[in-house]
Amino acid sequence: GAGVSQSPRYKVAKRGQDVALRCDPISGHVSLFWYQQALGQGPEFLTYFQNEAQLDKSGLPSDRFFAERPEGSVSTLKIQRTQQEDSAVYLCASSLAGAPNYGYTFGSGTRLTVV
Amino acid sequence: AQTVTQSQPEMSVQEAETVTLSCTYDTSESDYYLFWYKQPPSRQMILVIRQEAYKQQNATENRFSVNFQKAAKSFSLKISDSQLGDAAMYFCAYRSARSNYQLIWGAGTKLIIKP
Repeated sequence: GAGVSQSPRYKVAKRGQDVALRCDPISGHVSLFWYQQALGQGPEFLTYFQNEAQLDKSGLPSDRFFAERPEGSVSTLKIQRTQQEDSAVYLCASSLAGAPNYGYTFGSGTRLTVV
Repeated sequence: AQTVTQSQPEMSVQEAETVTLSCTYDTSESDYYLFWYKQPPSRQMILVIRQEAYKQQNATENRFSVNFQKAAKSFSLKISDSQLGDAAMYFCAYRSARSNYQLIWGAGTKLIIKP
């Protein structure tokens, strides 16, 4: 596609519910990133994929968070047993390669509200 | 660990005038990349301008330019001839040249354009 597509755009979950957030990167983009952006703050790194390999998951805040990219294209961020502190915008970005001079393209994010 | 600080939560400027957004960072590395991103209400992060630390010349993109002071670890963004469409959150971000992925973000500055 022309850009990075994220769905759903908004998600309201009851506390304790499991959610799955989808990211469809630009075709051919090797690298894929997930960031969490709390209200009024800058994004914080969650995890990074190069093709299907998850090379860094050091930013995932707890073992309730799980991300996958099984075929090296679409990625899913799953949050189990959601808590109120999980409420945030989840941003996905992709890039052509891992080199720093390649720019990232971001999606419009999924706003998760846990009630 | 690297940190990025944006000390101005909000800035306002009259349309057609010039505004400067501040960013400082802390790092022990000598080779890195700095970015300014714009985030409108649509939530998509849009790259405004990037600077390689090894380049002494300040980056410029049309009405946007930076003042990169490596010794002072300062990276300010100047917007000339401000337009209503420039209104957004602006985030400063750092990326190590040694790691190919993670962006470290400031907390953002809300830019208001007065007509």
